[in-house]
Amino acid sequence: EAGVVQSPRYKIIEKKQPVAFWCNPISGHNTLYWYLQNLGQGPELLIRYENEEAVDDSQLPKDRFSAERLKGVDSTLKIQPAELGDSAVYLCASSLGGVGFGTGELFFGEGSRLTVL
Amino acid sequence: GDSVTQMEGPVTLSEEAFLTINCTYTATGYPSLFWYVQYPGEGLQLLLKATKADDKGSNKGFEATYRKETTSFHLEKGSVQVSDSAVYFCALSEYGNKLVFGAGTILRVKS
Repeated sequence: EAGVVQSPRYKIIEKKQPVAFWCNPISGHNTLYWYLQNLGQGPELLIRYENEEAVDDSQLPKDRFSAERLKGVDSTLKIQPAELGDSAVYLCASSLGGVGFGTGELFFGEGSRLTVL
Repeated sequence: GDSVTQMEGPVTLSEEAFLTINCTYTATGYPSLFWYVQYPGEGLQLLLKATKADDKGSNKGFEATYRKETTSFHLEKGSVQVSDSAVYFCALSEYGNKLVFGAGTILRVKS
């Protein structure tokens, strides 16, 4: 079974440029998460989807960040314009239902590392 | 709000040494507790979990016991191997909707 797939793995851009990250969750997983991981810190939730609906986007900086999950499968996270402080790893995860459902296990992709110059 | 505090790393041990990584949490209710591990070049993966007080989670020789009285979930292993070198994250989920992670602890095991 294929795991969570993210692309690109690495991205280097100049500040004020746009960037987009793509995530393909495990087949059948209706819950999808985007997490932000700064260097030396734990992941922090940006947005959670239940199917195509964003049910928790309270930590998403909506002035420059946007996300979508068309048809409840793949998801894209966009930053426009990027700032120096956005340099981090962006993690995508999926699960069968929320954390409290079933095993409570989230399956993570390898992440997309962004460097803003 | 909910939070998780882990001991700072890196933790450097010789092979076959005993491992403890401390984790304490703050939550308003009774959360589920998790340890996730991130091996070099890989995504985070669930190592073990406990859903109520006094539960013990275990996997791959690692153990952690949910201690409500001390709000702790310390990770232990009796004999570490070089292959255990990774970053370990303690996490909680209080309402079943998201994971709140600690900062992570780097473990380095030398042969």
